[in-house]
Amino acid sequence: GAVVSQHPSWVICKSGTSVKIECRSLDFQATTMFWYRQFPKQSLMLMATSNEGSKATYEQGVEKDKFLINHASLTLSTLTVTSAHPEDSSFYICSAGGLKNTEAFFGQGTRLTVV
Amino acid sequence: TQLLEQSPQFLSIQEGENLTVYCNSSSVFSSLQWYRQEPGEGPVLLVTVVTGGEVKKLKRLTFQFGDARKDSSLHITAAQPGDTGLYLCAGFGGGSQGNLIFGKGTKLSVKP
Repeated sequence: GAVVSQHPSWVICKSGTSVKIECRSLDFQATTMFWYRQFPKQSLMLMATSNEGSKATYEQGVEKDKFLINHASLTLSTLTVTSAHPEDSSFYICSAGGLKNTEAFFGQGTRLTVV
Repeated sequence: TQLLEQSPQFLSIQEGENLTVYCNSSSVFSSLQWYRQEPGEGPVLLVTVVTGGEVKKLKRLTFQFGDARKDSSLHITAAQPGDTGLYLCAGFGGGSQGNLIFGKGTKLSVKP
């Protein structure tokens, strides 16, 4: 299957700082990528849909000014958590779809801890 | 809004026992997927079921898609400690974007 690489795998930052997470499709082009958040012992919740060359679509309750998404190329989407707070600590996972809407390829996830 | 209800949420069993995890919805899905996730890692796809009534087997794991394509089940025979993990069912949401809707997951613990 296709490979999606997410970086970093873990990060610790201070409250008030910003953190950028990268999601790359290594061997295919992804016009659409998805960002999920997963709290401990819970399932994945879709945060936003990242569209190459256009604005991201955010799910209800997700602050677009806090979670900045940039999808500047067909192989890279970034999620920047701005002015991070301890409650933003979570596991963030990206995925990219294949050519058919029956495939999804996940990154390894990023464990964010805000102290 | 399409929702996937997954049960049970937690399951702790002894090695060698059988178990079944259920994934139900009031909506029809074109396909459903089952993932297994280890702590600190992304989900790994186990299987995709597409046809109503379909049954797929992956070693000791048996996956079934309901006839009406609204529900699915995962049955594990003779569970082993290596089966421990979070099992997630997921279906593609409406529209052309291709985002996945996940069930709440089943945390399985198999004790030796």
